Amino acid sequence: GAVVSQHPSRVICKSGTSVKIECRSLDFQATTMFWYRQFPKKSLMLMATSNEGSKATYEQGVEKDKFLINHASLTLSTLTVTSAHPEDSSFYICSGMTGGNEKLFFGSGTQLSVL
Amino acid sequence: DAKTTQPTSMDCAEGRAANLPCNHSTISGNEYVYWYRQIHSQGPQYIIHGLKNNETNEMASLIITEDRKSSTLILPHATLRDTAVYYCIVRSPGTASKLTFGTGTRLQVTL
Repeated sequence: GAVVSQHPSRVICKSGTSVKIECRSLDFQATTMFWYRQFPKKSLMLMATSNEGSKATYEQGVEKDKFLINHASLTLSTLTVTSAHPEDSSFYICSGMTGGNEKLFFGSGTQLSVL
Repeated sequence: DAKTTQPTSMDCAEGRAANLPCNHSTISGNEYVYWYRQIHSQGPQYIIHGLKNNETNEMASLIITEDRKSSTLILPHATLRDTAVYYCIVRSPGTASKLTFGTGTRLQVTL
């Protein structure tokens, strides 16, 4: 299947700092990427839909100024958690859609821990 | 997108077939049935998807009932590495269509 590379896999940061997570589609062009977050023992929750060259669409309750998404190219989308706080600690996962628009492939996730 | 209902957990002996059911009684005519699985602390892995016909690939088989209100994912010979949470999702085609995860089925494969 298609490969989505997500970095870093784990990050620990101090409260108040910003953290950037990168998501790259390695062998396909992803016009649309989705960002999810997952709390322990819970299911994935969609945060936002990212379209190349346009503003992201955020789900209800997700602060767009808190979670900045950039999708500048067909192979790269980034999520920046600004002024992170302990409650932002979570597992963040990105996914890209293949050209046939039928399948989503997921990155390996980023475990964010804010101290 | 239509909601799905799955059992919370299931056990399966290694080497036996694992049959994971999913109910999607409100599915629309153009919605596909997708199956993903998530092994602990990893991103979800695509398994299979289908519209109305049964599908098979190297990982699994997907059996969709004729009325499309339910489906079953079959892992023909489960191994310990198949222990994971399995998600059944229905989704419309198109770039704007989201993949909304439910609670899934936690499959435990045992010796």
